[in-house]
Amino acid sequence: DIVMTQSPDSLAVSLGERATINCKSSQSVLYSSNNKNYLAWYQHKPGQPPKLLFYWASTRESGVPDRFSGSGSGTDFTLTISSLQAEDVAVYYCQQYYSTPLTFGGGTKVEIK
Amino acid sequence: QVQLQESGPRLVKPSETLSLTCSVSGYSISSGHYWGWIRQPPGKGLEWIGNIYRSGSTYFNPSLKSRVTISVDTSKNQFSLRLSSVTAADTAVYYCARISYSTYLAWFDSWGQGTLVTVSS
Repeated sequence: DIVMTQSPDSLAVSLGERATINCKSSQSVLYSSNNKNYLAWYQHKPGQPPKLLFYWASTRESGVPDRFSGSGSGTDFTLTISSLQAEDVAVYYCQQYYSTPLTFGGGTKVEIK
Repeated sequence: QVQLQESGPRLVKPSETLSLTCSVSGYSISSGHYWGWIRQPPGKGLEWIGNIYRSGSTYFNPSLKSRVTISVDTSKNQFSLRLSSVTAADTAVYYCARISYSTYLAWFDSWGQGTLVTVSS
């Protein structure tokens, strides 16, 4: 199984400041034949289902604000919120789809400082 | 726009079988895509259970494979989850979701609201 490890477990950021979430996979999720990273990011708010933010590590889902960005390759990935807004308070998860079983990171809780 | 809705008993006794159905609207299961089940135990992260295609082809998490059945009914535009021999560890919010591609290796682009299933006597 590919183990996804997120850091930190939680972070508190002031409104308007940058939030950075890391996700590391236990093996590369970069598929060499198409040069794509098989990684997605989700935002999960209490009482709601997870919402897709990015796929292929950095392709933003339609409707996701551009203050969110995804980056990284191979085994190390980052989700960045450039200017934190109140509505961004949530738990964020990465997910690899390079191989089964599909696996998620443990989540990073983002709060307002 | 595709919408998914989970339904089924919210309370299941230990050793019995958990059964949930996901009703899909706004998109025909017969048109393609894989469809999946994911769960989240209270206070914990997300765990993939398995995926199914319109043909009935399935992929399961090995950690649950011996207890899981996923089926599809294209005439009703539904797919279902059965998890046998449940214990308290199976208490979780269960989500159904659509896989974005016609492959089982992809991201989940649409999710149901989720339903909390509690295993307790």
